[in-house]
Amino acid sequence: DQQVKQNSPSLSVQEGRISILNCDYTNSMFDYFLWYKKYPAEGPTFLISISSIKDKNEDGRFTVFLNKSAKHLSLHIVPSQPGDSAVYFCAAFSNNFNKFYFGSGTKLNVKP
Amino acid sequence: DVKVTQSSRYLVKRTGEKVFLECVQDMDHENMFWYRQDPGLGLRLIYFSYDVKMKEKGDIPEGYSVSREKKERFSLILESASTNQTSMYLCASSLVPGGRDTEAFFGQGTRLTVV
Repeated sequence: DQQVKQNSPSLSVQEGRISILNCDYTNSMFDYFLWYKKYPAEGPTFLISISSIKDKNEDGRFTVFLNKSAKHLSLHIVPSQPGDSAVYFCAAFSNNFNKFYFGSGTKLNVKP
Repeated sequence: DVKVTQSSRYLVKRTGEKVFLECVQDMDHENMFWYRQDPGLGLRLIYFSYDVKMKEKGDIPEGYSVSREKKERFSLILESASTNQTSMYLCASSLVPGGRDTEAFFGQGTRLTVV
Protein backbone atom coordinates (compact mmCIF):
# COMPACT_ATOMS: atom_id res chain seq x y z
CA ASP A 1 0.00 0.00 0.00
CA GLN A 2 1.41 3.37 -1.02
CA GLN A 3 2.23 5.57 1.95
CA VAL A 4 2.70 8.68 -0.18
CA LYS A 5 0.10 9.51 -2.79
CA GLN A 6 -0.16 12.05 -5.54
CA ASN A 7 -3.70 11.75 -6.85
CA SER A 8 -3.32 14.05 -9.83
CA PRO A 9 -1.26 12.46 -12.58
CA SER A 10 -1.13 15.70 -14.55
CA LEU A 11 -1.67 19.44 -14.23
CA SER A 12 -1.75 22.14 -16.88
CA VAL A 13 -1.19 25.80 -15.99
CA GLN A 14 -0.75 29.03 -17.92
CA GLU A 15 2.61 30.75 -17.73
CA GLY A 16 2.67 33.37 -14.96
CA ARG A 17 -0.08 31.71 -12.93
CA ILE A 18 0.27 29.61 -9.78
CA SER A 19 0.87 25.87 -9.95
CA ILE A 20 -0.29 23.85 -6.94
CA LEU A 21 0.82 20.27 -6.66
CA ASN A 22 -0.67 18.12 -3.93
CA CYS A 23 0.51 15.14 -1.94
CA ASP A 24 -1.08 13.03 0.79
CA TYR A 25 0.58 10.60 3.17
CA THR A 26 -0.61 7.99 5.62
CA ASN A 27 2.18 7.64 8.19
CA SER A 28 2.19 10.32 10.88
CA MET A 29 5.73 9.31 11.87
CA PHE A 30 7.43 10.73 8.78
CA ASP A 31 10.17 13.17 9.77
CA TYR A 32 10.84 15.03 6.59
CA PHE A 33 9.13 15.77 3.29
CA LEU A 34 10.72 16.62 -0.02
CA TRP A 35 9.80 17.59 -3.56
CA TYR A 36 11.77 16.44 -6.56
CA LYS A 37 11.58 17.54 -10.17
CA LYS A 38 12.30 15.18 -13.02
CA TYR A 39 12.84 15.83 -16.72
CA PRO A 40 12.57 12.96 -19.22
CA ALA A 41 15.68 10.75 -19.45
CA GLU A 42 17.23 12.40 -16.38
CA GLY A 43 17.36 11.55 -12.71
CA PRO A 44 15.17 13.47 -10.23
CA THR A 45 16.67 16.63 -8.78
CA PHE A 46 15.91 17.94 -5.33
CA LEU A 47 13.72 21.02 -5.23
CA ILE A 48 12.67 21.87 -1.70
CA SER A 49 12.03 20.16 1.62
CA ILE A 50 10.27 20.70 4.92
CA SER A 51 10.74 19.25 8.36
CA SER A 52 7.72 17.68 10.04
CA ILE A 53 7.94 20.30 12.79
CA LYS A 54 7.30 23.18 10.39
CA ASP A 55 4.29 24.15 8.33
CA LYS A 56 5.88 26.23 5.59
CA ASN A 57 9.17 26.54 3.77
CA GLU A 58 9.90 28.98 0.97
CA ASP A 59 12.68 29.13 -1.59
CA GLY A 60 12.28 31.70 -4.33
CA ARG A 61 9.28 30.83 -6.48
CA PHE A 62 8.75 27.55 -4.61
CA THR A 63 6.84 27.17 -1.34
CA VAL A 64 5.95 23.95 0.39
CA PHE A 65 3.09 23.82 2.89
CA LEU A 66 2.61 21.04 5.38
CA ASN A 67 -0.70 20.30 7.11
CA LYS A 68 0.10 17.55 9.60
CA SER A 69 -3.43 17.14 10.89
CA ALA A 70 -4.63 16.45 7.35
CA LYS A 71 -1.45 14.52 6.41
CA HIS A 72 -1.21 16.71 3.37
CA LEU A 73 1.48 18.77 1.73
CA SER A 74 1.50 20.95 -1.29
CA LEU A 75 4.02 22.66 -3.53
CA HIS A 76 3.23 26.12 -4.87
CA ILE A 77 5.12 27.54 -7.82
CA VAL A 78 4.59 31.26 -8.40
CA PRO A 79 4.87 32.46 -11.08
CA SER A 80 4.95 29.33 -13.19
CA GLN A 81 7.37 29.26 -16.12
CA PRO A 82 7.52 26.97 -19.17
CA GLY A 83 10.84 25.59 -17.86
CA ASP A 84 8.95 24.27 -14.84
CA SER A 85 7.27 21.69 -17.07
CA ALA A 86 8.39 18.34 -15.65
CA VAL A 87 7.23 15.50 -13.45
CA TYR A 88 7.16 16.40 -9.76
CA PHE A 89 7.57 13.73 -7.11
CA CYS A 90 6.61 14.14 -3.50
CA ALA A 91 8.69 12.13 -1.02
CA ALA A 92 8.68 11.44 2.70
CA PHE A 93 11.57 10.32 4.83
CA SER A 94 11.45 8.19 7.94
CA ASN A 95 14.34 8.21 10.41
CA ASN A 96 13.05 4.94 11.83
CA PHE A 97 13.28 3.11 8.54
CA ASN A 98 16.08 5.19 7.02
CA LYS A 99 14.45 5.39 3.63
CA PHE A 100 12.47 7.62 1.31
CA TYR A 101 8.93 6.93 0.19
CA PHE A 102 7.90 8.45 -3.13
CA GLY A 103 4.57 9.34 -4.66
CA SER A 104 3.63 8.39 -8.21
CA GLY A 105 4.37 11.85 -9.59
CA THR A 106 2.43 14.70 -11.18
CA LYS A 107 3.28 15.84 -14.67
CA LEU A 108 3.15 19.65 -14.80
CA ASN A 109 2.74 21.40 -18.14
CA VAL A 110 3.19 25.17 -18.10
CA LYS A 111 1.80 26.66 -21.29
CA PRO A 112 3.43 29.80 -22.74
CA ASP B 1 28.47 19.14 -6.01
CA VAL B 2 27.37 15.64 -5.20
CA LYS B 3 27.78 13.34 -8.10
CA VAL B 4 25.99 10.03 -8.49
CA THR B 5 27.02 8.24 -11.64
CA GLN B 6 25.31 5.27 -13.21
CA SER B 7 27.44 3.27 -15.60
CA SER B 8 24.99 3.17 -18.52
CA ARG B 9 22.25 5.45 -19.82
CA TYR B 10 20.66 2.80 -22.03
CA LEU B 11 20.90 -0.99 -21.98
CA VAL B 12 19.26 -3.70 -24.05
CA LYS B 13 19.48 -7.23 -22.69
CA ARG B 14 17.97 -10.58 -23.57
CA THR B 15 15.58 -12.55 -21.40
CA GLY B 16 17.49 -14.79 -19.01
CA GLU B 17 20.69 -12.75 -19.05
CA LYS B 18 22.37 -11.70 -15.82
CA VAL B 19 22.49 -7.91 -15.75
CA PHE B 20 24.67 -5.64 -13.65
CA LEU B 21 23.79 -2.00 -13.07
CA GLU B 22 26.56 -0.02 -11.43
CA CYS B 23 26.31 3.14 -9.37
CA VAL B 24 29.09 5.25 -7.88
CA GLN B 25 28.81 8.31 -5.62
CA ASP B 26 31.62 10.67 -4.70
CA MET B 27 30.35 12.31 -1.52
CA ASP B 28 31.11 9.63 1.06
CA HIS B 29 27.40 9.05 1.66
CA GLU B 30 26.43 6.19 3.93
CA ASN B 31 23.06 5.45 2.34
CA MET B 32 22.54 4.23 -1.19
CA PHE B 33 19.31 3.23 -2.92
CA TRP B 34 18.05 1.56 -6.07
CA TYR B 35 14.64 2.54 -7.44
CA ARG B 36 12.74 1.75 -10.57
CA GLN B 37 10.40 4.21 -12.20
CA ASP B 38 7.37 3.04 -14.15
CA PRO B 39 4.52 5.14 -15.56
CA GLY B 40 1.77 5.67 -13.00
CA LEU B 41 3.73 3.91 -10.27
CA GLY B 42 6.32 6.53 -9.44
CA LEU B 43 9.58 5.52 -7.83
CA ARG B 44 9.55 2.14 -6.13
CA LEU B 45 12.38 1.10 -3.84
CA ILE B 46 14.10 -2.14 -4.80
CA TYR B 47 16.95 -2.31 -2.28
CA PHE B 48 18.92 0.05 -0.12
CA SER B 49 22.12 -0.04 1.86
CA TYR B 50 23.15 2.01 4.88
CA ASP B 51 26.71 0.74 5.12
CA VAL B 52 29.28 -1.37 3.35
CA LYS B 53 28.18 -4.98 3.03
CA MET B 54 24.79 -4.07 4.53
CA LYS B 55 21.61 -4.29 2.51
CA GLU B 56 17.90 -4.06 3.14
CA LYS B 57 15.00 -5.09 0.93
CA GLY B 58 12.79 -2.37 -0.35
CA ASP B 59 9.25 -2.75 -1.60
CA ILE B 60 9.94 -4.82 -4.73
CA PRO B 61 13.13 -6.88 -4.24
CA GLU B 62 11.97 -9.99 -6.10
CA GLY B 63 14.21 -10.85 -9.03
CA TYR B 64 16.97 -8.50 -7.87
CA SER B 65 20.01 -8.62 -5.66
CA VAL B 66 22.58 -5.99 -4.66
CA SER B 67 26.19 -5.71 -3.71
CA ARG B 68 27.99 -3.05 -1.72
CA GLU B 69 31.64 -4.00 -1.29
CA LYS B 70 32.85 -0.40 -1.11
CA LYS B 71 31.17 2.65 0.36
CA GLU B 72 31.05 4.53 -2.90
CA ARG B 73 29.67 1.74 -5.08
CA PHE B 74 26.28 0.05 -5.06
CA SER B 75 25.46 -2.54 -7.70
CA LEU B 76 22.05 -3.83 -8.71
CA ILE B 77 21.95 -7.33 -10.18
CA LEU B 78 19.16 -8.85 -12.19
CA GLU B 79 19.80 -12.54 -11.74
CA SER B 80 17.81 -13.61 -14.80
CA ALA B 81 16.36 -10.68 -16.69
CA SER B 82 12.70 -10.81 -17.64
CA THR B 83 10.61 -8.54 -19.84
CA ASN B 84 8.72 -7.18 -16.81
CA GLN B 85 12.00 -5.73 -15.59
CA THR B 86 12.08 -3.33 -18.50
CA SER B 87 12.12 0.01 -16.73
CA MET B 88 14.04 3.14 -15.80
CA TYR B 89 16.42 2.35 -12.94
CA LEU B 90 17.55 5.13 -10.64
CA CYS B 91 20.35 5.04 -8.11
CA ALA B 92 20.46 7.53 -5.24
CA SER B 93 22.64 8.29 -2.23
CA SER B 94 22.20 10.30 0.96
CA LEU B 95 23.87 11.07 4.25
CA VAL B 96 22.64 9.42 7.43
CA PRO B 97 19.19 10.65 8.42
CA GLY B 98 18.44 13.81 10.31
CA GLY B 99 19.04 17.48 9.77
CA ARG B 100 18.94 19.62 6.70
CA ASP B 101 21.04 17.26 4.66
CA THR B 102 18.53 14.47 4.49
CA GLU B 103 17.98 14.53 0.78
CA ALA B 104 18.64 11.88 -1.79
CA PHE B 105 20.85 12.69 -4.76
CA PHE B 106 20.02 10.77 -7.90
CA GLY B 107 22.01 9.50 -10.81
CA GLN B 108 20.90 10.15 -14.37
CA GLY B 109 19.10 6.83 -14.65
CA THR B 110 19.54 3.69 -16.74
CA ARG B 111 16.83 2.84 -19.24
CA LEU B 112 16.87 -0.98 -19.38
CA THR B 113 14.99 -2.85 -22.07
CA VAL B 114 14.72 -6.63 -21.80
CA VAL B 115 13.80 -8.33 -25.07
